[in-house]
Amino acid sequence: EAEVAQSPRYKITEKSQAVAFWCDPISGHATLYWYRQILGQGPELLVQFQDESVVDDSQLPKDRFSAERLKGVDSTLKIQPAELGDSAMYLCASSFDRDSYEQYFGPGTRLTVT
Amino acid sequence: QQQVKQSPQSLIVQKGGISIINCAYENTAFDYFPWYQQFPGKGPALLIAIRPDVSEKKEGRFTISFNKSAKQFSLHIMDSQPGDSATYFCAASIYTDKLIFGTGTRLQVFP
Repeated sequence: EAEVAQSPRYKITEKSQAVAFWCDPISGHATLYWYRQILGQGPELLVQFQDESVVDDSQLPKDRFSAERLKGVDSTLKIQPAELGDSAMYLCASSFDRDSYEQYFGPGTRLTVT
Repeated sequence: QQQVKQSPQSLIVQKGGISIINCAYENTAFDYFPWYQQFPGKGPALLIAIRPDVSEKKEGRFTISFNKSAKQFSLHIMDSQPGDSATYFCAASIYTDKLIFGTGTRLQVFP
């Protein structure tokens, strides 16, 4: 069964360091989402891509977060510099295309900032 | 208006019982209502979803009941099993935009 791949699964970093997460969506899926899930809460969207274009990044803290999907396939989310409040699970999801409702999530990257 | 309110926060059910989780929303523009199941350390898995043109959808032991006039929807898990123990999230979206998630319900099913 096709799955969304994410790496690393766990990341521990010190405050003020840079960190990057990688996501490979289900093959053929054109829409890609990055969500952040704080422990005990539901996921919240950070950024949505349609192919290589950003559709929604209204909740992305652009002073420290950046996201790219250069070839419209895999994607990287970067945080620089990391802050203690960034400790969370970073989830990637994908859907077939802009008209598909179903979003399929990857296993996530658990970030701990010390 | 973008919120989805979920209750209860936690739920304990005996094996074979019925688990019921409720969600309410305000934004009438929402047109897609999925439920996700999440195990510790894993990503959310799509369980079942409904569109507002139907009042109920059933898949195996899982049923969504949808009340458009009350702006509420619920998940019913029939014959609950210990393997169903997980956190369940309701969500809503407008078309295929971002999912707005509820706060989650931790379900524990005891043998």
